[in-house]
This record gives sequence, structure tokens and C-alpha cells, in this order.
Amino acid sequence: NAGVTQTPKFRVLKTGQSMTLLCAQDMNHEYMYWYRQDPGMGLRLIHYSVGEGTTAKGEVPDGYNVSRLKKQNFLLGLESAAPSQTSVYFCASTRTGETQYFGPGTRLLVL
Amino acid sequence: AQSVTQPDIHITVSEGASLELRCNYSYGATPYLFWYVQSPGQGLQLLLKYFSGDTLVQGIKGFEAEFKRSQSSFNLRKPSVHWSDAAEYFCAVGEGGADGLTFGKGTHLIIQP
Repeated sequence: NAGVTQTPKFRVLKTGQSMTLLCAQDMNHEYMYWYRQDPGMGLRLIHYSVGEGTTAKGEVPDGYNVSRLKKQNFLLGLESAAPSQTSVYFCASTRTGETQYFGPGTRLLVL
Repeated sequence: AQSVTQPDIHITVSEGASLELRCNYSYGATPYLFWYVQSPGQGLQLLLKYFSGDTLVQGIKGFEAEFKRSQSSFNLRKPSVHWSDAAEYFCAVGEGGADGLTFGKGTHLIIQP
């Protein structure tokens, strides 16, 4: 039982490049989330999904897109990376009334 | 909109001393409350949670927290800190459903020998 896993662990991009972050969970959770963590800001919700094929915007969605084609996977895309997207990205999953389980994080540096 | 305030950005405590980290929240309904800990370069580990019932909740590593509805607070306590407790601590609030958590900005705990 791996819990929540994230790929890749670390990535360096140039401004304007695109990339996709993958989150996978093996707990059969309905809900999945993408957060970003910046120094002094705590974690802020980017997008979330309440089920396969559904997504919704969180607090800071601009510049990101997401997809949930399979229940166990939640993808976060950056179409044209900007230095302001340099951050640590955390994925989480849960079901109603339970705790959110977090992945180990992906460190992204945009030059 | 819900919000979480952690008034103390940094706290320094001597090893063996007691600890209290403050958390205040703004939320319309009965909140689900959490404390997470994050060591440098690591992910988030759940310390404890409050969903309902007894307002004093026990967590891992000897931590406890008390939910005070009248003060909109959920302060984290530990009677005697260890050097390994040095980390970043986050308070978070949610509704228990699908909408995600709102986090405070964190409190950085430093342990003096």
C-alpha cells in the first residue's frame, strides 16, 4: 500500500516550457487535490477533483490545468511555465469525513 | 470564506520546556480541524484532528490540542519538547467534504539545547 505518490520528485524548467505532474493514490479515495507551498504562505489549493472526470478550481488556479481520467490518478499541467510557478507541489487524497493523505511533494524550479 | 491564522511565525523553546502553538480560524459551520508537521524537505505528517466529540484531542508524538468554539481556536500543546520536534507546524480547517483544506501560514519551531 503505497498511499499517495508523486512523479517527478524534482524538475527544472525554463520559462515557457510545459510539463505534467502525476499524482497516484491506491486507497480508492474519491477526492484528490493539488496544493502549492511557498515560503511564508502555507499550502494553497490549486485545483481539486470530487471524482473521475470532474475537476474544480481552488484558491490559486491560474496557469494550471488538471485532469482526472482515472479515479486513482490526478494530473497537474503547466502549459507555459513562469518563474512565479516555482514552488513545492503537494498532492492529497481523501474520502468524506476522513483525513487528507499527502504525497511527498514535487519541487519545481522555473528559470 | 474560511481562514486560518497562526499568529506566531517563529517560536523558540528550550528542550524539556512546554509548548503551545496558537491557531485561530474563521468558519461558518462546525469545522474539521487539523494540525500537520513538516520537517525540512519533507512532506506533511498529520499530528491530530478534531471532527466532533471530546474537545481535547490526543495525537502522535505526545501532542494534544483543544478545540474552543467560543474562541474559534485550536491550539496545539506538548508538555515537554524534544530536539526532534523542531519543524514547521501547520493548522488547517476544512468541512469534511470535498472542498479541500485551508491552511495557516505555519509556525516555525526552534528548540534550544
